[in-house]
Amino acid sequence: QVQLVQSGAEVKKPGASVKVSCKASGYTFTGYYMHWVRQAPGQGLEWMGWINPNSGGTNYAQKFQGRVTMTRDTSISTAYMELSRLRSDDTAVYYCAREGPRSSGWYRLPGYWGQGTLVTVSS
Amino acid sequence: AIRMTQSPSSFSASTGDRVTITCRASQGISSYLAWYQQKPGKAPKLLIYAASTLQSGVPSRFSGSGSGTDFTLTISCLQSEDFATYYCQQYYSYPPWTFGQGTKVEIK
Repeated sequence: QVQLVQSGAEVKKPGASVKVSCKASGYTFTGYYMHWVRQAPGQGLEWMGWINPNSGGTNYAQKFQGRVTMTRDTSISTAYMELSRLRSDDTAVYYCAREGPRSSGWYRLPGYWGQGTLVTVSS
Repeated sequence: AIRMTQSPSSFSASTGDRVTITCRASQGISSYLAWYQQKPGKAPKLLIYAASTLQSGVPSRFSGSGSGTDFTLTISCLQSEDFATYYCQQYYSYPPWTFGQGTKVEIK
């Protein structure tokens, strides 16, 4: 079964960077894009971007361009999201999410989610 | 980017009630609309895709309808486990995925 296991909570100071990992299992890691979605406390869901684990290609939401970097290590089936120049309003739960199976009607949708990683930015 | 607007933002209901949540897209998205349920401290769960197709394992009291710009999620007989926040999401034009702001269903 598909599983996405994320790294633990982080506390960072403003201006610092954070790197969140997402270890995938139960499927061929390079076969599906990995997306990152965040959720500020009490707020809605915000898509940050995706990485193609096969090629390493990325597509970032305009809002995060220049501050976010998504990478992967195919040898350990793990995707990473690094956010730099952190601000207090970056305090949020960060999720990795995989699309549904290509044969399904919910392909192109985040059907599998990690458990989330709380990143707190505070001085 | 396509904007998604849900209404209401929150409301109270009782077990057994029939409830409806509305989602409007800023431009036509055909039927490329999904609904998610999220409980506190948990990741969202996909309920419905293609506007009206129930994800496997989702109870039949959930249903979705609409196309173009206007969509609804209906829960025919609210159960205790349905108290949660619901989000719509368009996938007609992506990236980016865009979500509604959420509708919180609370116990009356």
